[in-house]
Amino acid sequence: GQNIDQPTEMTATEGAIVQINCTYQTSGFNGLFWYQQHAGEAPTFLSYNVLDGLEEKGRFSSFLSRSKGYSYLLLKELQMKDSASYLCAVTDSNYQLIWGAGTKLIIKP
Amino acid sequence: NAGVTQTPKFRVLKTGQSMTLLCAQDMNHEYMYWYRQDPGMGLRLIHYSVGEGTTAKGEVPDGYNVSRLKKQNFLLGLESAAPSQTSVYFCASSPRGTGDYNEQFFGPGTRLTVL
Repeated sequence: GQNIDQPTEMTATEGAIVQINCTYQTSGFNGLFWYQQHAGEAPTFLSYNVLDGLEEKGRFSSFLSRSKGYSYLLLKELQMKDSASYLCAVTDSNYQLIWGAGTKLIIKP
Repeated sequence: NAGVTQTPKFRVLKTGQSMTLLCAQDMNHEYMYWYRQDPGMGLRLIHYSVGEGTTAKGEVPDGYNVSRLKKQNFLLGLESAAPSQTSVYFCASSPRGTGDYNEQFFGPGTRLTVL
Protein backbone atom coordinates (compact mmCIF):
# COMPACT_ATOMS: atom_id res chain seq x y z
CA GLY A 1 0.00 0.00 0.00
CA GLN A 2 0.89 3.65 -0.11
CA ASN A 3 2.05 5.33 3.04
CA ILE A 4 3.37 8.70 4.15
CA ASP A 5 4.69 9.13 7.67
CA GLN A 6 5.18 12.38 9.55
CA PRO A 7 5.45 13.10 13.27
CA THR A 8 2.08 13.98 14.74
CA GLU A 9 3.21 17.00 16.71
CA MET A 10 6.36 19.04 17.33
CA THR A 11 7.15 21.95 19.63
CA ALA A 12 9.77 24.62 19.02
CA THR A 13 10.77 28.02 20.38
CA GLU A 14 10.30 31.35 18.64
CA GLY A 15 13.46 32.31 16.78
CA ALA A 16 14.78 28.74 16.62
CA ILE A 17 15.06 26.23 13.76
CA VAL A 18 12.88 23.15 13.35
CA GLN A 19 13.05 20.22 10.92
CA ILE A 20 9.89 18.28 10.04
CA ASN A 21 10.55 14.88 8.50
CA CYS A 22 8.46 12.95 6.00
CA THR A 23 9.05 9.40 4.79
CA TYR A 24 7.06 7.86 1.99
CA GLN A 25 6.34 4.55 0.32
CA THR A 26 4.28 5.05 -2.82
CA SER A 27 3.67 3.36 -6.14
CA GLY A 28 5.96 5.54 -8.17
CA PHE A 29 7.16 9.05 -7.52
CA ASN A 30 6.47 12.19 -9.51
CA GLY A 31 7.24 14.90 -7.01
CA LEU A 32 6.76 15.88 -3.37
CA PHE A 33 4.85 18.86 -2.02
CA TRP A 34 4.79 20.59 1.34
CA TYR A 35 1.71 22.55 2.36
CA GLN A 36 0.97 24.69 5.40
CA GLN A 37 -2.44 24.58 7.03
CA HIS A 38 -3.45 26.95 9.82
CA ALA A 39 -6.21 25.72 12.12
CA GLY A 40 -9.60 26.06 10.49
CA GLU A 41 -8.16 27.12 7.16
CA ALA A 42 -7.30 25.58 3.81
CA PRO A 43 -3.87 24.14 2.98
CA THR A 44 -1.55 26.52 1.11
CA PHE A 45 1.44 25.57 -1.02
CA LEU A 46 4.94 25.90 0.43
CA SER A 47 7.34 23.94 -1.75
CA TYR A 48 7.82 21.34 -4.47
CA ASN A 49 10.73 18.89 -4.92
CA VAL A 50 11.16 16.44 -7.77
CA LEU A 51 14.98 16.09 -7.86
CA ASP A 52 17.28 15.19 -4.98
CA GLY A 53 18.61 18.09 -3.01
CA LEU A 54 17.63 21.23 -1.20
CA GLU A 55 15.18 23.89 -2.37
CA GLU A 56 15.35 27.16 -0.45
CA LYS A 57 12.61 29.76 -0.21
CA GLY A 58 13.31 32.47 2.31
CA ARG A 59 12.98 31.06 5.83
CA PHE A 60 11.70 27.72 4.50
CA SER A 61 13.76 24.99 2.82
CA SER A 62 12.76 21.54 1.64
CA PHE A 63 15.05 18.58 1.04
CA LEU A 64 14.45 15.40 -0.94
CA SER A 65 16.23 12.04 -1.17
CA ARG A 66 14.39 9.82 -3.62
CA SER A 67 16.58 6.78 -2.93
CA LYS A 68 15.67 6.94 0.76
CA GLY A 69 12.03 7.93 0.28
CA TYR A 70 12.66 10.86 2.57
CA SER A 71 12.06 14.58 2.72
CA TYR A 72 12.25 17.28 5.33
CA LEU A 73 10.97 20.80 5.71
CA LEU A 74 13.30 23.17 7.52
CA LEU A 75 11.90 26.32 9.08
CA LYS A 76 14.34 28.96 10.28
CA GLU A 77 13.89 32.00 12.53
CA LEU A 78 10.58 30.67 13.74
CA GLN A 79 7.75 33.12 14.26
CA MET A 80 4.53 32.67 16.19
CA LYS A 81 2.61 32.78 12.90
CA ASP A 82 4.41 29.56 11.86
CA SER A 83 2.22 27.66 14.32
CA ALA A 84 0.28 25.43 11.93
CA SER A 85 0.09 21.94 10.54
CA TYR A 86 2.55 21.00 7.80
CA LEU A 87 1.38 18.46 5.26
CA CYS A 88 3.64 16.30 3.12
CA ALA A 89 2.15 14.97 -0.15
CA VAL A 90 3.63 12.75 -2.85
CA THR A 91 2.51 12.48 -6.48
CA ASP A 92 2.37 8.78 -7.30
CA SER A 93 2.65 6.93 -10.62
CA ASN A 94 -0.98 7.77 -11.43
CA TYR A 95 -0.31 11.46 -10.75
CA GLN A 96 -2.53 11.32 -7.68
CA LEU A 97 -1.46 13.24 -4.60
CA ILE A 98 -1.06 10.98 -1.56
CA TRP A 99 -1.23 13.00 1.66
CA GLY A 100 0.37 12.50 5.03
CA ALA A 101 -1.70 13.18 8.15
CA GLY A 102 0.30 16.33 8.85
CA THR A 103 2.58 17.56 11.61
CA LYS A 104 1.16 20.06 14.06
CA LEU A 105 3.88 22.58 14.92
CA ILE A 106 3.52 24.49 18.18
CA ILE A 107 5.70 27.58 18.62
CA LYS A 108 6.38 28.77 22.16
CA PRO A 109 7.63 32.27 23.01
CA ASN B 1 -9.41 37.03 -8.66
CA ALA B 2 -11.26 34.93 -6.09
CA GLY B 3 -9.30 31.68 -6.62
CA VAL B 4 -11.33 28.70 -5.39
CA THR B 5 -14.61 29.33 -3.62
CA GLN B 6 -16.93 26.88 -1.86
CA THR B 7 -20.51 27.12 -0.69
CA PRO B 8 -21.82 26.62 1.89
CA LYS B 9 -19.20 27.13 4.59
CA PHE B 10 -21.15 25.23 7.24
CA ARG B 11 -24.06 22.80 7.10
CA VAL B 12 -25.88 20.48 9.48
CA LEU B 13 -27.87 17.61 7.99
CA LYS B 14 -30.00 14.86 9.40
CA THR B 15 -29.29 11.27 8.45
CA GLY B 16 -30.85 10.48 5.08
CA GLN B 17 -31.00 14.07 3.83
CA SER B 18 -29.31 15.10 0.62
CA MET B 19 -27.26 18.13 -0.32
CA THR B 20 -24.89 19.53 -2.92
CA LEU B 21 -21.61 21.29 -2.23
CA LEU B 22 -20.60 23.85 -4.80
CA CYS B 23 -17.04 24.64 -5.88
CA ALA B 24 -15.98 27.31 -8.35
CA GLN B 25 -12.56 28.37 -9.62
CA ASP B 26 -11.63 31.35 -11.77
CA MET B 27 -8.06 30.31 -12.66
CA ASN B 28 -9.01 28.35 -15.80
CA HIS B 29 -7.61 25.17 -14.25
CA GLU B 30 -8.21 21.86 -15.97
CA TYR B 31 -8.13 19.64 -12.90
CA MET B 32 -10.49 19.82 -9.93
CA TYR B 33 -10.71 17.67 -6.80
CA TRP B 34 -12.92 16.98 -3.82
CA TYR B 35 -11.25 15.88 -0.57
CA ARG B 36 -12.43 15.16 2.92
CA GLN B 37 -10.28 15.85 5.96
CA ASP B 38 -10.86 14.05 9.23
CA PRO B 39 -8.92 14.45 12.51
CA GLY B 40 -5.68 12.48 12.56
CA MET B 41 -5.91 11.53 8.91
CA GLY B 42 -4.50 12.94 5.74
CA LEU B 43 -6.64 14.50 3.06
CA ARG B 44 -8.52 11.76 1.26
CA LEU B 45 -9.56 12.13 -2.36
CA ILE B 46 -13.26 11.52 -3.00
CA HIS B 47 -13.60 12.29 -6.71
CA TYR B 48 -11.70 14.33 -9.23
CA SER B 49 -12.03 15.70 -12.75
CA VAL B 50 -9.39 16.16 -15.44
CA GLY B 51 -11.54 18.43 -17.57
CA GLU B 52 -15.04 19.66 -18.34
CA GLY B 53 -17.48 16.78 -18.64
CA THR B 54 -15.17 14.22 -17.02
CA THR B 55 -15.13 12.75 -13.53
CA ALA B 56 -13.28 9.88 -11.85
CA LYS B 57 -13.33 8.09 -8.51
CA GLY B 58 -10.73 8.74 -5.88
CA GLU B 59 -9.85 6.84 -2.73
CA VAL B 60 -13.20 7.17 -0.90
CA PRO B 61 -16.01 7.68 -3.47
CA ASP B 62 -18.81 5.67 -1.86
CA GLY B 63 -21.84 7.74 -0.89
CA TYR B 64 -20.85 10.69 -3.09
CA ASN B 65 -21.49 11.77 -6.66
CA VAL B 66 -19.97 14.60 -8.68
CA SER B 67 -20.55 16.56 -11.85
CA ARG B 68 -18.43 18.95 -13.91
CA LEU B 69 -20.75 20.44 -16.48
CA LYS B 70 -18.71 23.64 -16.74
CA LYS B 71 -14.94 23.93 -16.53
CA GLN B 72 -15.07 26.36 -13.63
CA ASN B 73 -17.53 24.40 -11.46
CA PHE B 74 -17.28 21.07 -9.66
CA LEU B 75 -20.27 19.85 -7.65
CA LEU B 76 -20.24 17.22 -4.90
CA GLY B 77 -23.51 15.52 -3.99
CA LEU B 78 -24.52 13.48 -1.00
CA GLU B 79 -27.67 11.55 -1.87
CA SER B 80 -28.42 10.12 1.58
CA ALA B 81 -26.19 11.58 4.27
CA ALA B 82 -24.76 9.36 7.01
CA PRO B 83 -23.01 10.32 10.28
CA SER B 84 -19.77 8.84 8.83
CA GLN B 85 -19.82 11.69 6.31
CA THR B 86 -19.35 14.28 9.03
CA SER B 87 -16.12 15.94 7.95
CA VAL B 88 -14.49 19.02 6.48
CA TYR B 89 -14.72 19.01 2.70
CA PHE B 90 -12.15 20.80 0.58
CA CYS B 91 -12.32 21.52 -3.10
CA ALA B 92 -9.07 22.11 -4.97
CA SER B 93 -7.93 22.82 -8.49
CA SER B 94 -4.65 22.57 -10.41
CA PRO B 95 -3.53 23.66 -13.88
CA ARG B 96 -2.73 20.08 -14.88
CA GLY B 97 -1.85 16.86 -13.12
CA THR B 98 1.85 16.58 -13.83
CA GLY B 99 4.96 17.94 -12.19
CA ASP B 100 4.68 21.25 -10.43
CA TYR B 101 1.51 21.90 -12.45
CA ASN B 102 0.00 19.50 -9.94
CA GLU B 103 0.21 22.26 -7.31
CA GLN B 104 -3.27 22.33 -5.94
CA PHE B 105 -5.11 25.47 -4.86
CA PHE B 106 -7.69 24.94 -2.15
CA GLY B 107 -11.03 26.48 -1.32
CA PRO B 108 -11.82 27.52 2.27
CA GLY B 109 -13.66 24.29 3.09
CA THR B 110 -17.18 23.23 4.06
CA ARG B 111 -17.78 21.95 7.58
CA LEU B 112 -20.52 19.33 7.39
CA THR B 113 -22.16 17.66 10.38
CA VAL B 114 -24.59 14.78 9.90
CA LEU B 115 -26.75 14.02 12.92
